[in-house]
Amino acid sequence: SQQGEEDPQALSIQEGENATMNCSYKTSINNLQWYRQNSGRGLVHLILIRSNEREKHSGRLRVTLDTSKKSSSLLITASRAADTASYFCATDARKLIFGQGTELSVKP
Amino acid sequence: DAGITQSPRYKITETGRQVTLMCHQTWSHSYMFWYRQDLGHGLRLIYYSAAADITDKGEVPDGYVVSRSKTENFPLTLESATRSQTSVYFCASSEGTYMNTEAFFGQGTRLTVV
Repeated sequence: SQQGEEDPQALSIQEGENATMNCSYKTSINNLQWYRQNSGRGLVHLILIRSNEREKHSGRLRVTLDTSKKSSSLLITASRAADTASYFCATDARKLIFGQGTELSVKP
Repeated sequence: DAGITQSPRYKITETGRQVTLMCHQTWSHSYMFWYRQDLGHGLRLIYYSAAADITDKGEVPDGYVVSRSKTENFPLTLESATRSQTSVYFCASSEGTYMNTEAFFGQGTRLTVV
């Protein structure tokens, strides 16, 4: 079984809209990471949030973490067509297990 | 060149043959990982390694063998390839410390077993 599970599985929005995707996990964590995968390519690290942090920003990305609910969300503001990709969360940095990802499509 | 590289990029092999996928990183990262990616399953961890000569099973290790005699290399071997092992394989590496956990991925190897 996978530690992190993303939701929704697919999301389609218009350029300029915000995109929110969620990640739920099962056991306690030290940190949680979000990655992006463009079609057919390797994953690229986006942002890491530690278990003692509640919110973190990086450019147009905002990540929140609720350890009581064992969940995290990734918000991409003012989305662009170039944000079209799959997004994955990962917990347990030493074993690095991913969920199935959220496939985001941003239409121009 | 600095980074993490996988070879080959594409491979077609026959059922029952042994095939080895190579992964090389230049950062001396302690941790290395092998994943397979199939439609509907996301990335599934096959094996990972915390250091040279230390390897451990991931979520889907059956049918695969790994070794890590040198820090920079982490080859993945399919001892007797099956059609169900047709997939895209990704290798990754990271320092794996509390302060630095970012993983870097190779470009992937697309393996087809016929």
